[in-house]
Amino acid sequence: QKEVEQDPGPLSVPEGAIVSLNCTYSNSAFQYFMWYRQYSRKGPELLMYTYSSGNKEDGRFTAQVDKSSKYISLFIRDSQPSDSATYLCAMSATNAGKSTFGDGTTLTVKP
Amino acid sequence: DVKVTQSSRYLVKRTGEKVFLECVQDMDHENMFWYRQDPGLGLRLIYFSYDVKMKEKGDIPEGYSVSREKKERFSLILESASTNQTSMYLCASSFGGRLYEQYFGPGTRLTVT
Repeated sequence: QKEVEQDPGPLSVPEGAIVSLNCTYSNSAFQYFMWYRQYSRKGPELLMYTYSSGNKEDGRFTAQVDKSSKYISLFIRDSQPSDSATYLCAMSATNAGKSTFGDGTTLTVKP
Repeated sequence: DVKVTQSSRYLVKRTGEKVFLECVQDMDHENMFWYRQDPGLGLRLIYFSYDVKMKEKGDIPEGYSVSREKKERFSLILESASTNQTSMYLCASSFGGRLYEQYFGPGTRLTVT
């Protein structure tokens, strides 16, 4: 079983929809939780990271961590066609430890 | 903006060839990483380096080696390329105490025939 499981998708939504992307994990030592966005034929870019539990908001994006359930989410409000990409979750136990990535969820936002 | 560049976007090599993939970052980052990305397997860490001439094995180091002679440059070497090394190779870098905040290059699509 993988340490990090991500909803495989693909996910297709109309423009303006609220999108929820999710990951579960098994390693209770994870404390840093990241979301990366990867456009087609590009490298991943860091969207947000959260330390420990709670929520973090950045514009239309909200990252949520529930350590008791070992579950993290990324919400995208008012989704736009430019949000169409593959979203990768990643986790790390320490600030000096390697990250473990999910397989990614491909999102398409239709105009 | 942090810039991580990789020497080639696309590369085609024959089985048994020695292959060099180069990565350069311009932000004076201490840490550099090499990943491969395959459908259904996600991003897997091959090697990382936290300082010049230092290296650590990742999850799948077999068949690969690395070199870091200068802080800004991290090379991945396939000593004898095989068809199962056909993949997308991604380089990344990060600041010393922030391994979780990685900046990625555009990737090299390597095909071994």
